[in-house]
Amino acid sequence: KNQVEQSPQSLIILEGKNCTLQCNYTVSPFSNLRWYKQDTGRGPVSLTIMTFSENTKSNGRYTATLDADTKQSSLHITASQLSDSASYICVVSARQAGTALIFGKGTTLSVSS
Amino acid sequence: NAGVTQTPKFQVLKTGQSMTLQCAQDMNHNSMYWYRQDPGMGLRLIYYSASEGTTDKGEVPNGYNVSRLNKREFSLRLESAAPSQTSVYFCASSAHAGQVTGELFFGEGSRLTVL
Repeated sequence: KNQVEQSPQSLIILEGKNCTLQCNYTVSPFSNLRWYKQDTGRGPVSLTIMTFSENTKSNGRYTATLDADTKQSSLHITASQLSDSASYICVVSARQAGTALIFGKGTTLSVSS
Repeated sequence: NAGVTQTPKFQVLKTGQSMTLQCAQDMNHNSMYWYRQDPGMGLRLIYYSASEGTTDKGEVPNGYNVSRLNKREFSLRLESAAPSQTSVYFCASSAHAGQVTGELFFGEGSRLTVL
């Protein structure tokens, strides 16, 4: 069964600190992996999309990595800010119909001052 | 630049009532989607429309109907609402459903409570 597991479920860090969120998947055949940021009460917004051949992609202070062999991805946030407080969702696409997106449950990040 | 617009943002229904959630996108996208998001679960696809004139069931279509009114608009209808349909509903759009790395743009969500 295609699944996406994220850890930790929630995380609290101090402003200015770095953190790493994890995503493990069992989706096959793999097409691409996406990270979304969802602020409370808002819709998800895309941070990165990585295909099989990409192992690192950055978007400002966000850096995503992908290891397609171990089926793991991480999202590293550098020098966190209060505005980084949100849910981060890992989404994996299967290489079939373009609608085959499998969503993780998300990691809730709280950045405190 | 509005992107994906959903209405209403909040709605309370009684069991058995019907309602329609509206969605419009101004990005000239071909594909549109309806998802629901429940606590402790990932987003789940209800219905999608790969292109104007076509609609297909997603993972959790029971109790819902959709209409792709034109290229811009995609509505979701609950014919007889049930408490299990209490959820946050998101509309999304992408340029092409079959595009490998097609960006998915979400609306702000419609929060529905069924009593």
